[in-house]
This record gives sequence, structure tokens and C-alpha cells, in this order.
Amino acid sequence: GDSVTQMEGPVTLSEEAFLTINCTYTATGYPSLFWYVQYPGEGLQLLLKATKADDKGSNKGFEATYRKETTSFHLEKGSVQVSDSAVYFCALHNTDKLIFGTGTRLQVFP
Amino acid sequence: EAGVVQSPRYKIIEKKQPVAFWCNPISGHNTLYWYRQNLGQGPELLIRYENEEAVDDSQLPKDRFSAERLKGVDSTLKIQPAELGDSAVYLCASSPGATKNIQYFGAGTRLSVL
Repeated sequence: GDSVTQMEGPVTLSEEAFLTINCTYTATGYPSLFWYVQYPGEGLQLLLKATKADDKGSNKGFEATYRKETTSFHLEKGSVQVSDSAVYFCALHNTDKLIFGTGTRLQVFP
Repeated sequence: EAGVVQSPRYKIIEKKQPVAFWCNPISGHNTLYWYRQNLGQGPELLIRYENEEAVDDSQLPKDRFSAERLKGVDSTLKIQPAELGDSAVYLCASSPGATKNIQYFGAGTRLSVL
């Protein structure tokens, strides 16, 4: 079946460092891909999305490119802030189902 | 615009007790989802509603879990009796009918079964 694999956390960075969180997927057909973020004590919020190959989703300085050839959707940010500390979930949507990875905790220190 | 509202935020019960969670989706969203999120894991779908009809409940443990969405708006998820392994965060999400792939999540109910 369809699945999403994310790099394990926590990812610990200093403020202004470059961020990459890896995500790969397995799916039949042509899924849409998403990154959701979960801040402490809050629900999941959609961060960005891409609906077809080579699309780049971006929001709040984060971006990810839908790479069909490598079945990947890695999340990047050029300069992280303390306020970016959260758990990040990669997800795919296929045949009316949203399937999540296990999440990657990001901790940013001043 | 109000988001997805869930209550209670936290619930602590003893095993074998019943428990219920409530969800109010975003106004106008026809599709409603219940997910379970175990510690350190991503959410997993329990049931999906289109208006008042449950269209995907294949992952709902029907021996102890039940759900309803009367009038196609609010929804309730019930567990009876609860087991220790039911401790998790229960998330509700909703989406507009035309764009099901964008789901909006509530803050969740954290259940602890002692």
C-alpha cells in the first residue's frame, strides 16, 4: 500500500541554520504531497503542498519540490528561527486517503 | 472563520469506562474525518464522513468504537469500553467537498486510559 517515510528526529539546529527534512513516498498513481506542521499543544496545520511532478510548494520560507523520479518531497528552509520549533509531518493524498509519515521533531536554539 | 473545534482537550479515564469526543467542523465542510495519533506517530484515519454518511470506516475497531454525524454537521466518536491501548490523541478534520485533499485539523483530544 501507499506509505510515507521521513527522517527520524529530533533535528536540532541553531537559529539561522539551513534545514532539510527528508521525505520519500511509495504510491500508485499520482498522489498529491503535503507538509503539515504541529506546534506544541495545537492541531496539524497545512504548511505547503504540491499536486504534480516538479511542482514546488512554498510558505513562510519553507519549500519542497515534488520529485517523481526519486519519489521525494524534501522540506527545506534557508534560515530557521526559534519559532519554527515543531513537529513536521510529510503526507500524501491518494484515492481519497491522506497518509502521514511518523513526523520529525525540529528544535531550534538561539 | 472559526476552525475545527474539538472537546474536551484532555480526558483521563480508567480502563473499561466509556468515553466520547465531540467535533464541530468548519462551516460548510461536507467531509469530516476522525484520526488517531499514537505517541511519536503520524495520524491514522479511523473514519470518514461525507455529510452524514460514513463512507470509509474500514480502520474503525467496530467492536468498541462507534461514531455518528447526525444532520451532517457535528460528530461524536465513542469508545466503550476503553482499553489501555486506546491512549492517544484523537483528531478531527474537515474539508470542503470539492478539495478533499486539503484537510483542516482541530487541536485534538488527548485520551489517557489508566
